[in-house]
Amino acid sequence: EAQVTQNPRYLITVTGKKLTVTCSQNMNHEYMSWYRQDPGLGLRQIYYSMNVEVTDKGDVPEGYKVSRKEKRNFPLILESPSPNQTSLYFCASRRDRPNYGYTFGSGTRLTVV
Amino acid sequence: AQTVTQSQPEMSVQEAETVTLSCTYDTSENNYYLFWYKQPPSRQMILVIRQEAYKQQNATENRFSVNFQKAAKSFSLKISDSQLGDTAMYFCAFMIMDSNYQLIWGAGTKLIIKP
Repeated sequence: EAQVTQNPRYLITVTGKKLTVTCSQNMNHEYMSWYRQDPGLGLRQIYYSMNVEVTDKGDVPEGYKVSRKEKRNFPLILESPSPNQTSLYFCASRRDRPNYGYTFGSGTRLTVV
Repeated sequence: AQTVTQSQPEMSVQEAETVTLSCTYDTSENNYYLFWYKQPPSRQMILVIRQEAYKQQNATENRFSVNFQKAAKSFSLKISDSQLGDTAMYFCAFMIMDSNYQLIWGAGTKLIIKP
């Protein structure tokens, strides 16, 4: 089944403790992206990647890192999480023809206390 | 700035009724795509319908259709014969055809279908 797999689904952590949210897609998509969803704000792009070893900042990149060493994987790294990073996070990928839209992972609910 | 506005934070209708969710957007670009996504309580983002800006004909997908008014920058979603399974958050988004192809999202409309 074609899908984007995110882990974990839920995560509670403490301020300053480094964490990684994994994302993997099995559709051979070149483009991958991370979004955060906050009430009343919709989704906002954190980082995106056009291909292996090619990443760039989205609209809200502060406090986040990403890497793209393999085509299928695009992990999101929070080096020193803070409470304002409490949010719902989505990984997404898309095929070359962008009019087909994106395929999203199931989301990661992160709480930083 | 490119923005999407969904003016209805929450709506509720009776099962089998027709409901229309509004969406307006602002962009100076001429080439873009528009989408409606559904997010049920499971949190999964599901593509409902898409529309190419260069096409005048409104897109339809079974019970879902859009009213695309390019000059007015309006992209409303109509759900006919609404079902309990339609209960979800609905997000309007558009995608500019630049190097990023980023999706710009509205804040969402919570739709409740009552039995």
